[in-house]
Amino acid sequence: GQQLNQSPQSMFIQEGEDVSMNCTSSSIFNTWLWYKQDPGEGPVLLIALYKAGELTSNGRLTAQFGITRKDSFLNISASIPSDVGIYFCAGQLRYGGATNKLIFGTGTLLAVQP
Amino acid sequence: GAGVSQSPRYKVAKRGQDVALRCDPISGHVSLFWYQQALGQGPEFLTYFQNEAQLDKSGLPSDRFFAERPEGSVSTLKIQRTQQEDSAVYLCASSEDREETQYFGPGTRLLVL
Repeated sequence: GQQLNQSPQSMFIQEGEDVSMNCTSSSIFNTWLWYKQDPGEGPVLLIALYKAGELTSNGRLTAQFGITRKDSFLNISASIPSDVGIYFCAGQLRYGGATNKLIFGTGTLLAVQP
Repeated sequence: GAGVSQSPRYKVAKRGQDVALRCDPISGHVSLFWYQQALGQGPEFLTYFQNEAQLDKSGLPSDRFFAERPEGSVSTLKIQRTQQEDSAVYLCASSEDREETQYFGPGTRLLVL
């Protein structure tokens, strides 16, 4: 099945450092989403982006919807131990009769050392 | 309020057995999605329901996979004659309507031996 290219695959950082990850697609989406998944749980929505060029923040998280509509990035500032988990981007085609299924990236594993 | 719930949380099946996985969406949510997540991968779309109507089943990997939502609330994903490659986490998500945010359940971890 289709999966988006997400990088880096994993990151091991010290508490307090900033983190950046990105996601690219060969096709256009009109919505980009970022999810976090903890072990044994389902993905939880962090940020949703609905317009090309949009920059949105949620606390220490900032995400941008690329101008080409084929990419997005997520930044986490001043990381803390509870940021540990797997981060997934997801592209979506909303409206126009589409199913609105999510196409997920391959994931970025984040480990934060106190 | 209660989120999406799934049962069982873990299922071990012998190859060739049939399994049934249940999803209870958030009350009042019209749209329901099933995704399959292989180890180390992101979730992949399987099928989508709007109320009781299955409007998209393009992601079902074979005719051994069957999903239903007869009364427009609870959904069951059935896998017949399970194979080892069916081992994965099966995630259910629901949303108020098709274009709204999808909320995920904790998943069912299926291991086929």
